[in-house]
Amino acid sequence: GNSVTQMEGPVTLSEEAFLTINCTYTATGYPSLFWYVQYPGEGLQLLLKATKADDKGSNKGFEATYRKETTSFHLEKGSVQVSDSAVYFCALSSDRGSTLGRLYFGRGTQLTVWP
Amino acid sequence: GAVVSQHPSWVICKSGTSVKIECRSLDFQATTMFWYRQFPKQSLMLMATSNEGSKATYEQGVEKDKFLINHASLTLSTLTVTSAHPEDSSFYICSARRGIPLHFGNGTRLTVT
Repeated sequence: GNSVTQMEGPVTLSEEAFLTINCTYTATGYPSLFWYVQYPGEGLQLLLKATKADDKGSNKGFEATYRKETTSFHLEKGSVQVSDSAVYFCALSSDRGSTLGRLYFGRGTQLTVWP
Repeated sequence: GAVVSQHPSWVICKSGTSVKIECRSLDFQATTMFWYRQFPKQSLMLMATSNEGSKATYEQGVEKDKFLINHASLTLSTLTVTSAHPEDSSFYICSARRGIPLHFGNGTRLTVT
């Protein structure tokens, strides 16, 4: 089946520190992979995506590479800011049959960045 | 800009009453919408898949008589929490599918007193 395992938080960093949030997945077929961000009291916003192996998604300084060989999609940012404080969700979208389009989420990782 | 509009953003209701939450796709037609529930500090749990013109497909463990879903048009799906109880208090989020489902509403915070 489809599932996402995400690094547990919370993660606390100082401003300008390097960020890595690990995400691995299991899936049948060839899923698309996503990172979503949720700011306090808000819904989810798509941060970046990758639709096939070796694709790199990037946005706002965040990057993640779709690694089929390690079934991973780790999120990285070279220098975090206070405004990056949020919950980050790794997710995959099935490409098959009755589950087409459904998103499977990891548990989320709370990131807090201190000035 | 937002392509999925969810309303209301928050609602407080008394135990035993029903609450309706709307999810609209603003500039595209969504044959499929998804309803999620999020408990505090937890991930999103898919409740049901809403298909235009047909009955919703509910996930295991979700009470279809309690969480009524109607997808009456290609741009609107509604979730009605019937006879709400305090344990139904949660954050409900809809997602509309346009190709890969990238678009989420901003969520509805439901508090049942």
